[in-house]
Amino acid sequence: DTAVSQTPKYLVTQMGNDKSIKCEQNLGHDTMYWYKQDSKKFLKIMFSYNNKELIINETVPNRFSPKSPDKAHLNLHINSLELGDSAVYFCASSQDGRGLISGNTIYFGEGSWLTVV
Amino acid sequence: AQTVTQSQPEMSVQEAETVTLSCTYDTSENNYYLFWYKQPPSRQMILVIRQEAYKQQNATENRFSVNFQKAAKSFSLKISDSQLGDTAMYFCAFMKRGSNYKLTFGKGTLLTVNP
Repeated sequence: DTAVSQTPKYLVTQMGNDKSIKCEQNLGHDTMYWYKQDSKKFLKIMFSYNNKELIINETVPNRFSPKSPDKAHLNLHINSLELGDSAVYFCASSQDGRGLISGNTIYFGEGSWLTVV
Repeated sequence: AQTVTQSQPEMSVQEAETVTLSCTYDTSENNYYLFWYKQPPSRQMILVIRQEAYKQQNATENRFSVNFQKAAKSFSLKISDSQLGDTAMYFCAFMKRGSNYKLTFGKGTLLTVNP
């Protein structure tokens, strides 16, 4: 069973459209994340949620809105897509996202390749 | 803010040989973790090895080991007996303890293992 699963894996869409990427984890973790990997392969955190509460919100355009219906799911909705949004978006999860327990690891999904044309 | 620097954009090694990937970081923190992640062509991010800053002993995982030099803020990855399946991008990452698991990544090193 896939621990962190994202759908869709590939998405090609036109500028101006609204799209969502879904993420689910079956690890029983309490914290989930969205990372973005740009065309130069640079990885950067966008958001994290702990028990459905937003705890990290980096400088991301407000066209990006995460939604966590429960602690096993974290979806990413993007409005008015732009060419620069083309990237690979990684969902991830960990236990104790407050970082107070040592040794916990972040597990990544396989990524969702978004191409805006 | 923390920064992570990987000075080698690309490296290559012959199968069965040993290769070392470099990583340096800049932080004023004392409690933190360091990671090496592997990203093969499939783009999946796979944890290779983890080091807690308070541990002086270098972490090892089978053919993978690190050389952690806290004073020098250096965290290199050594891959022994390189295999074709080790071909991937390797990312060094830093995480401050208590930072809500916010990972700061380096820009990666593309390692190619040649037959």
